Amino acid sequence: IAGITQAPTSQILAAGRRMTLRCTQDMRHNAMYWYRQDLGLGLRLIHYSNTAGTTGKGEVPDGYSVSRANTDDFPLTLASAVPSQTSVYFCASSDEGGNSPLHFGNGTRLTVT
Amino acid sequence: GQNIDQPTEMTATEGAIVQINCTYQTSGFNGLFWYQQHAGEAPTFLSYNVLDGLEEKGRFSSFLSRSKGYSYLLLKELQMKDSASYLCAAMDSNYQLIWGAGTKLIIKP
Repeated sequence: IAGITQAPTSQILAAGRRMTLRCTQDMRHNAMYWYRQDLGLGLRLIHYSNTAGTTGKGEVPDGYSVSRANTDDFPLTLASAVPSQTSVYFCASSDEGGNSPLHFGNGTRLTVT
Repeated sequence: GQNIDQPTEMTATEGAIVQINCTYQTSGFNGLFWYQQHAGEAPTFLSYNVLDGLEEKGRFSSFLSRSKGYSYLLLKELQMKDSASYLCAAMDSNYQLIWGAGTKLIIKP
């Protein structure tokens, strides 16, 4: 089934540890995004990539890094996790064009203790 | 600054009609999206409006007034499965999405 796959589904992580959240899509979408979703707040963009080989910073990029080596994969890395990074993380992709809807993965629920 | 306002929670009865409002302030405007998100799941696309007026798609309709910075999502013939959060998102002049916190819709039998 075409779509976006995120892994892991959930994770409990000790503060200070490094963690990579994986995201893979098979729709050949050029644009990919990482969002975090926290209770009472709208989705906040962490990083994005308009095409393979390029990345950009979103609204809340500090403490996170991304890479886009190919079209399909867009991993998100937390170099040294902190409790404020406890959140649900969604990866999304879209076709080209400003009005193209986002397709979301099922999310990763991350708890940093 | 840029922001989106939508009610935190609404309650409606099965079979009825409900209107979820959204007001937005953005630097430029390139359209407004509505997404549905069931608890514990990913958001899924419902509608996109860029011109003034009403877009109808089955039981769901979305309305936009650019001059008022206002949109609403209209859900008719409510079903229990419509219990979900509804997210409003406006696209600014840089094609960045500004998201509301979502409206949790509770459907009662």
